[in-house]
Amino acid sequence: EIVMTQSPATLSVSPGDRATLSCRASQSVSSNVAWYQQKPGQAPRLLIYGASTRATGIPARFSGSGSGTEFTLTISSLQSEDIAVYYCQQFNNWPIFTFGPGTKVDLK
Amino acid sequence: EVQLLESGGGLVQPGGSLRLSCAASGFTFSNHAISWVRQAPGKGLEWVSSISTFGHFTYYADSVKGRFTISRDDSKSTLHLQLSSLRVEDTAVYYCAKTTYYDWDSWGQGTLVTVS
Repeated sequence: EIVMTQSPATLSVSPGDRATLSCRASQSVSSNVAWYQQKPGQAPRLLIYGASTRATGIPARFSGSGSGTEFTLTISSLQSEDIAVYYCQQFNNWPIFTFGPGTKVDLK
Repeated sequence: EVQLLESGGGLVQPGGSLRLSCAASGFTFSNHAISWVRQAPGKGLEWVSSISTFGHFTYYADSVKGRFTISRDDSKSTLHLQLSSLRVEDTAVYYCAKTTYYDWDSWGQGTLVTVS
């Protein structure tokens, strides 16, 4: 089983600052990683697929990078509406999917 | 607009059963794999099960294998998840999601299953 880990568990960021979230896979997953945003009481929303491609309607301040075992989600200028939990998910072992434990982003 | 609407959640005793449904619209349901994922209160996301197009193949997480059964009715654009031998640890919000080879691009709002 591919294990996904995320760091940090919580990230406190000032509005307008950059937020950098990390995701690591226990073995190579190529570029088969997606990122999701989940706000309280809501379903997750797809942000990034293929490690770096923004989903439809996702603002340009969200970007993804990485391949192999190391991945990064960057929010270039944090807005108040970006406060949420962010999850990475691997698709390399389709259809056995695994999620990371999530990173909670809040305002400093 | 793609929509997924889960139903069937509720309160059930340990050892009991429940059938969840996911009604889809806004896309050609039969052309897509669909998955279930759950989220225990205050916890992260856990993949539960997926079904291929035409229902030829089904897949389950080890934690639910032998207890849960996924199925689909393409004529009604509906996905089902039969939950049996329920445990307290199955308590969660259950989401269905449209599944491709590289993302889950549409999710329902979830249905809460409480085992107590």
